[in-house]
Amino acid sequence: DTGVSQDPRHKITKRGQNVTFRCDPISEHNRLYWYRQTLGQGPEFLTYFQNEAQLEKSRLLSDRFSAERPKGSFSTLEIQRTEQGDSAMYLCASSLGGWNQPQHFGDGTRLSIL
Amino acid sequence: AQTVTQSQPEMSVQEAETVTLSCTYDTSESDYYLFWYKQPPSRQMILVIRQEAYKQQNATENRFSVNFQKAAKSFSLKISDSQLGDAAMYFCAYEDRTSGSRLTFGEGTQLTVNP
Repeated sequence: DTGVSQDPRHKITKRGQNVTFRCDPISEHNRLYWYRQTLGQGPEFLTYFQNEAQLEKSRLLSDRFSAERPKGSFSTLEIQRTEQGDSAMYLCASSLGGWNQPQHFGDGTRLSIL
Repeated sequence: AQTVTQSQPEMSVQEAETVTLSCTYDTSESDYYLFWYKQPPSRQMILVIRQEAYKQQNATENRFSVNFQKAAKSFSLKISDSQLGDAAMYFCAYEDRTSGSRLTFGEGTQLTVNP
């Protein structure tokens, strides 16, 4: 169990640029979640996958955001045409199937928009 | 919609003392889980303890225990014999079958442990 891995740890970009984050879940976990956390707040749910299927998306996930999990293993979260309000910590978590399985979090990717 | 409220933005405790962090939630569901997560500075979120709503017995994990009051929709975390390593942001979180496995988090409580 190597834990949930996220890359990069930090991303600084100019407004209007596209960014992509990667998450590698714990190997036997078939569920993968993305959350966004702004400074001083709790994480907010963005989306989750069961294997390669994206089963739910939050209203927070505007059309500039897209997430994929092509082979049911790692996942990517892309933000197009970044805005100042996108500055946040993006957290990935994974769990075994089932609604009552605990979620294991990665270290997060901190995005800063200049 | 389910909501989770943590009314204490900051708490402090002396090393070796006991501290209680508060959490209230709102739901119309009867079957759900409640969690406490710990987030040290610049480090990953770690699950501290969880409670299933159907279980009347309060969960305990070593120095961590909860006081689950289902009727009052209250879920507090007690940390006994506080240690310097307990200093972190603590988040209360909720999950039920209708929420599609997503966690709903409170605003967090920043815990400081004084030597």
